[in-house]
Amino acid sequence: DAKTTQPTSMDCAEGRAANLPCNHSTISGNEYVYWYRQIHSQGPQYIIHGLKNNETNEMASLIITEDRKSSTLILPHATLRDTAVYYCIVANNNDMRFGAGTRLTVKP
Amino acid sequence: DSGVTQTPKHLITATGQRVTLRCSPRSGDLSVYWYQQSLDQGLQFLIQYYNGEERAKGNILERFSAQQFPDLHSELNLSSLELGDSALYFCASSVGTSGRNEQFFGPGTRLTVL
Repeated sequence: DAKTTQPTSMDCAEGRAANLPCNHSTISGNEYVYWYRQIHSQGPQYIIHGLKNNETNEMASLIITEDRKSSTLILPHATLRDTAVYYCIVANNNDMRFGAGTRLTVKP
Repeated sequence: DSGVTQTPKHLITATGQRVTLRCSPRSGDLSVYWYQQSLDQGLQFLIQYYNGEERAKGNILERFSAQQFPDLHSELNLSSLELGDSALYFCASSVGTSGRNEQFFGPGTRLTVL
């Protein structure tokens, strides 16, 4: 599975959009981009995934560049409850390799 | 609530002992995955089962084993426990096995080895 690179930490003001970047320059054509988050020591929570096209659901939007070498997860209106570690993963099967992720802190 | 249940929630045991962690997947999910999360290692994939058969193996030690039963629940057996096995153990489930299926995680079992 391809390796991903994410910033270690980011801050965001409450009510503003949080944009979390992820680089996956060695991604293969059949690998999906997944985003999960983990709040404190709870089980990771699925957010969104995509292959080539941008995706949106009730939680977030996923923007994937045309060359698929990077992506951005957008939380449109961050709340304090969005404070968590966000993991970007690329995989073509269910053998998911979680990296260190980005620790997002939403501040009042 | 993801629909995945794990028992027990907490487990405290001694070195050299053996424990069994249990996971019930979401209704309709055929795949079960096990992960280990320790402070210094992050979230590590251990093993996957699909409809009773082993499908993928990650960083699982030989002292650890798992199985998935006909009712699709799964058990992770950890034996000859060492201090370093202290960690959160998560189970996840998904509908199928392909990369299109998101995984839903349970609340985890916190294992402490003294």
